[in-house]
Amino acid sequence: GAVVSQHPSRVICKSGTSVKIECRSLDFQATTMFWYRQFPKKSLMLMATSNEGSKATYEQGVEKDKFLINHASLTLSTLTVTSAHPEDSSFYICSASGTSGRATDTQYFGPGTRLTVL
Amino acid sequence: SQELEQSPQSLIVQEGKNLTINCTSSKTLYGLYWYKQKYGEGLIFLMMLQKGGEEKSHEKITAKLDEKKQQSSLHITASQPSHAGIYLCGALPFGNEKLTFGTGTRLTIIP
Repeated sequence: GAVVSQHPSRVICKSGTSVKIECRSLDFQATTMFWYRQFPKKSLMLMATSNEGSKATYEQGVEKDKFLINHASLTLSTLTVTSAHPEDSSFYICSASGTSGRATDTQYFGPGTRLTVL
Repeated sequence: SQELEQSPQSLIVQEGKNLTINCTSSKTLYGLYWYKQKYGEGLIFLMMLQKGGEEKSHEKITAKLDEKKQQSSLHITASQPSHAGIYLCGALPFGNEKLTFGTGTRLTIIP
């Protein structure tokens, strides 16, 4: 299957600092990338959908100024957690889907990034 | 809103036994996905079902989607330690391009 990478896999930062997480599709071009957040023992919650070259669409309740998403190319999307606080500590997972533009394009997920804010 | 329930929430199975995980939607689905997640890792795509009554198999894992396209089951035959993990179903409702996930089933395989 398609490969999606995330970097870093783990990050620990101080409260108030910003953290950037990269999501790359390694062997296919992804017109759409998704960012999810996973809380302990809970399912994935979609944060935002990003399409290459356009602004991300954020889900209700997700602060777009806090979670900055950039999808600069067909293989790279970044999520920046600005002014991070301990409540932002979580497991962040990205996914990428193919170029057909259909809703049924399978999403391939990255390995996730564990963010811990002290 | 789309409701997606998975059952059971957790499952402990002796190695070699068969098991079934269920995923039920409150709405008719356009597509149903099954993923597997190891703790603290990303999701691995297993299968996607789109047609009512469809059944797909990969190695010892079989997934089915009912005719109404609201319920899916994931069946593992002769379970192995490598099957341990969290299984998530993801649903794509009609008219909605956002994948909604169930709460997951944590599968433990004991010797």
